[in-house]
Amino acid sequence: DAEITQSPRHKITETGRQVTLACHQTWNHNNMFWYRQDLGHGLRLIHYSYGVQDTNKGEVSDGYSVSRSNTEDLPLTLESAASSQTSVYFCASSNRDGGTEAFFGQGTRLTVV
Amino acid sequence: QQQVKQSPQSLIVQKGGIPIINCAYENTAFDYFPWYQQFPGKGPALLIAIRPDVSEKKEGRFTISFNKSAKQFSLHIMDSQPGDSATYFCAASKITGGGNKLTFGTGTQLKVEL
Repeated sequence: DAEITQSPRHKITETGRQVTLACHQTWNHNNMFWYRQDLGHGLRLIHYSYGVQDTNKGEVSDGYSVSRSNTEDLPLTLESAASSQTSVYFCASSNRDGGTEAFFGQGTRLTVV
Repeated sequence: QQQVKQSPQSLIVQKGGIPIINCAYENTAFDYFPWYQQFPGKGPALLIAIRPDVSEKKEGRFTISFNKSAKQFSLHIMDSQPGDSATYFCAASKITGGGNKLTFGTGTQLKVEL
C-alpha cells in the first residue's frame, strides 16, 4: 500500500543546531507540503513543492528550507533551531489536481531546548 | 491573519448527541472545503469534503452544511460515539490555481462521553 512516512517521530535538539526532518511518500504524488501544528493555530503551511526542483514558501517559512531532488522526498531543514520552532511537524502529499485528498504522515514532534 | 475561523475550541457531548462544529472563511476564491479528523499521535485524515455548488453533503453519520452567502460551513456528527473523540479541523482551498494548499481552522477537540 502507498504511504507517507516521516522520520524521526520525536527529536530533541539544542538552540542553534541545524535539524532535518525527513518525509517520504510512495503515492507518486507531485504535490508535497510541510505544515506545523500548534495549539490555538491549527496547521500552518511552511513550504510546499509541486514537483522536482520546485519549492515555494508558505505562511510561516522563516527559518525553514526544503529541497526536492526526486518525487518521493521533501526534507525540511531548520537552519538554526529556535525555541519558537518547538512544534509538531506534518508532511502531506496530494496529486496535482486541486480539490483532492491530501495524505498526511504521522508527524514529527520536535523540541528545541 | 486567520482566514478560516473555527469554533468551538473544545466540545463535550454525550453518546448519541449531535456535536456541531462551525467554520467561517474570508477568501471568496475558496471553493473546496474539507474536514480532517485527527486522533492523538496520528496525522490528520480526510473525513468529508464539500464544494460550494451544493448546500449539504452526507457521508454516513457525518454531514457538512454549507452557506455560501454567509461564507460559513459546519460539520454535524449524528449519533456520536466515543470513537468519534478526536480533533476536527476544517480547511479551505482553491481548486483551480490553488495547488491543493490547505488553509486550516484552529481545530476543535471533541470528546464523546458514555
